[in-house]
Amino acid sequence: AQSVTQLGSHVSVSEGALVLLRCNYSSSVPPYLFWYVQYPNQGLQLLLKYTTGATLVKGINGFEAEFKKSETSFHLTKPSAHMSDAAEYFCAVFADKAAGNKLTFGGGTRVLVKP
Amino acid sequence: DAGVTQSPTHLIKTRGQQVTLRCSPKSGHDTVSWYQQALGQGPQFIFQYYEEEERQRGNFPDRFSGHQFPNYSSELNVNALLLGDSALYLCASSFVRGVSEAFFGQGTRLTVV
Repeated sequence: AQSVTQLGSHVSVSEGALVLLRCNYSSSVPPYLFWYVQYPNQGLQLLLKYTTGATLVKGINGFEAEFKKSETSFHLTKPSAHMSDAAEYFCAVFADKAAGNKLTFGGGTRVLVKP
Repeated sequence: DAGVTQSPTHLIKTRGQQVTLRCSPKSGHDTVSWYQQALGQGPQFIFQYYEEEERQRGNFPDRFSGHQFPNYSSELNVNALLLGDSALYLCASSFVRGVSEAFFGQGTRLTVV
């Protein structure tokens, strides 16, 4: 079975500062990893995904994440926070390829951006 | 492309009642998954439908059931509602083959009183 841990349920950053959201996963097989963003009263929007190949993945809105197998991590970063980045972010793992696209999510990290 | 659409957006039910939520997948997608997101938590997988059959199920009681229609749309039914069923219910569509990202709808906010 797979699991996801997001360190820090809330993160506060200043506008223009680095955003770093931490995600560690547990999986018995090579994982596929995803970051989703959720704005208030909305569904989930995919930011980026890692399946195979390059371990540094670039996504939308200036976000990127690096898959580190040795650390079982997939941390999300953005060099310069914008007010519009205030939202909740979810890391998810898909590892059971034979059983379809079931996602296991972390508990989420809410990002507050201060002006 | 309308993406994934869910209806209704909000509803309020009384304990013990039954509810049906609906989902239309993104055009071309053949698989629909349902997730429950309680307040302040990450989404939890309920079940997944492909070819009108339940392919996989999460740790949810039999009060939660579903259906997929020939046009790939889906329904989630919850019987004998409990206060703890209050949550945002998310529908996600995808392709069954390979690993593609799941596209999520806006969700249905269910409140049980």
